[in-house]
Amino acid sequence: AQSVTQLGSHVSVSEGALVLLRCNYSSSVPPYLFWYVQYPNQGLQLLLKYTTGATLVKGINGFEAEFKKSETSFHLTKPSAHMSDAAEYFCAVSDPGTALIFGKGTTLSVSS
Amino acid sequence: DTAVSQTPKYLVTQMGNDKSIKCEQNLGHDTMYWYKQDSKKFLKIMFSYNNKELIINETVPNRFSPKSPDKAHLNLHINSLELGDSAVYFCASSQAGRRTDTQYFGPGTRLTVL
Repeated sequence: AQSVTQLGSHVSVSEGALVLLRCNYSSSVPPYLFWYVQYPNQGLQLLLKYTTGATLVKGINGFEAEFKKSETSFHLTKPSAHMSDAAEYFCAVSDPGTALIFGKGTTLSVSS
Repeated sequence: DTAVSQTPKYLVTQMGNDKSIKCEQNLGHDTMYWYKQDSKKFLKIMFSYNNKELIINETVPNRFSPKSPDKAHLNLHINSLELGDSAVYFCASSQAGRRTDTQYFGPGTRLTVL
């Protein structure tokens, strides 16, 4: 069975600081991993995904994530936070039936 | 151009009523999904259709019935609404329903049952 654990339900950073959102997964099949962002009262938007190939994946808005099979992790990072990055972030793994299995989400707050 | 659209955006209704949520995608995708996001923001798959055929039907009360008139539309009908049905319902679509495909989400429908 597939599952995702996001460590830290709430992360607070200062503008310009490093953003690190943690995601660990469990998968009985080769893992395909996704990070989505949800702004208030909006739908989910894909930030980036890992399927095969390069383990360092670059996404939109300066975000990137590294797939580490040995650690079963897919942490999301951004070198310098911007106020506009404040949102809810979801890590997900694709199950054999193609549905996304989501983590519980991490709320990112950015202060000036 | 809205890729995945849902109507209505907000739905407030009384317990026991029947309501429908409509979803349309103009991306030419073959697969569509319904997800439920609860008050703690946890997202869970409900249904998936591929070319109008039901392929995922999670443990959802049979008061919920999806209908796909064509591959661009996936509607969700809910009978005898209960307080616990209050949530945000998201429609999504993907190109071919492969595990590697990106799923594109609609803006959500916030359902409040009084």
